[in-house]
Amino acid sequence: GAGVSQSPSNKVTEKGKDVELRCDPISGHTALYWYRQRLGQGLEFLIYFQGNSAPDKSGLPSDRFSAERTGESVSTLTIQRTQQEDSAVYLCASSSVMGEQFFGPGTRLTVL
Amino acid sequence: GDSVTQMEGPVTLSEEAFLTINCTYTATGYPSLFWYVQYPGEGLQLLLKATKADDKGSNKGFEATYRKETTSFHLEKGSVQVSDSAVYFCALTGGYNKLIFGAGTRLAVHP
Repeated sequence: GAGVSQSPSNKVTEKGKDVELRCDPISGHTALYWYRQRLGQGLEFLIYFQGNSAPDKSGLPSDRFSAERTGESVSTLTIQRTQQEDSAVYLCASSSVMGEQFFGPGTRLTVL
Repeated sequence: GDSVTQMEGPVTLSEEAFLTINCTYTATGYPSLFWYVQYPGEGLQLLLKATKADDKGSNKGFEATYRKETTSFHLEKGSVQVSDSAVYFCALTGGYNKLIFGAGTRLAVHP
């Protein structure tokens, strides 16, 4: 596709369950970013990938959060043992190196 | 660390009014500055950007000038329309080109 895609668009889960969120970046974009937007707040940086490596994981809020990227393409953000404070919209963005970031539509995560 | 502060909303204006949304930043080095917009039900879109001091970014009638001396990047538009109703985010680039965002300002424009 032409843009960044994310799946699922909505995810409702119970507290304590694990969830996986997927991002398909624009083809050829080597840089990939994950952000989180909690209700009524700005976006918080979570993690940055260059290729399949993550040189900046400084925004991951706890060790329950992890992410990987394979084939310099798809990325998966995993949240283990979800908590209610994890409820947010999770956004993925991709870019060429130092280029403009293009955002996906986001995954809305609700933890009950 | 680097940070962005923007005026709290909501900002409520009548159509054709003048718009200013203030944004100031704290950064080491010389970041690029951005305004992003999130229309209701849509994803985040880049509105405009400026990459160095005194640059002016502009798009769709919106403008912002990178002011290094006041560490500001205020968003302005001379005559807003109902279709401009959205949430506006000011942002700067940090390490690895990651974006550091302000909290967002909701704009509501009434006919």
